[in-house]
Amino acid sequence: QVQLVQSGAEVKKPGASVKVSCKTSGYTFTNYYMHWVRQAPGQGLEWMGVINPSDGTTSYAHKFQGRVTMTRDTSTSTVYMELRSLRVEDTAVYYCARGWESSSPTPLFDPWGQGTLVTVSS
Amino acid sequence: ETVLTQSPATLSLSPGERATLSCRASQSVSSYLAWYQQKPGQAPRLLIYDASNRATGIPARFSGSGSGTDFTLTINSLEPEDFAVYFCQQRSNWPCSFGQGTKLEIK
Repeated sequence: QVQLVQSGAEVKKPGASVKVSCKTSGYTFTNYYMHWVRQAPGQGLEWMGVINPSDGTTSYAHKFQGRVTMTRDTSTSTVYMELRSLRVEDTAVYYCARGWESSSPTPLFDPWGQGTLVTVSS
Repeated sequence: ETVLTQSPATLSLSPGERATLSCRASQSVSSYLAWYQQKPGQAPRLLIYDASNRATGIPARFSGSGSGTDFTLTINSLEPEDFAVYFCQQRSNWPCSFGQGTKLEIK
């Protein structure tokens, strides 16, 4: 079955960077776009951006442009999300979420990884 | 950005009752509205896409309706496992956006 397994929780200081991984299995990695969505504690969901694992092209929400980089490693079927210049308000659970439709960047998400808690604190 | 407003924030019902959750968009999203269920400590799960289509494996007691700016998620005959937080999400306008959620709790 399709599985998205994310890396473990991180604690970072303001100004640092974090890189979260999402290892996939159970489907053809290059056939489905991968999105990143975050959820601050007790808050709603916020879309960050998307990567096409086939060619590595990306699209980021304006809010994160310049601070986020999404990459992929086709040899291990893994996608990565790096967020730089971390702020306290970046404290959140970060999810990878596969696009629902093959070969389409449309933001409809199924399934999701289990989430990675990133805590930013001095 | 398209703002999605969900109501009520909290809904208290008993198992066996019907739940009606609302999602209103600040501008038309056509039928590109999805619903997700999230249980404590878990990732969201896709329930409904394109306003009224159930995702794979979703029970028939879940149904969605609406178009344009007003949407409804209905859950008939609530089961104990249905008590969770529900989010709506639009993909019509970039960037996609989510509502703040409705918490469905046991009365």
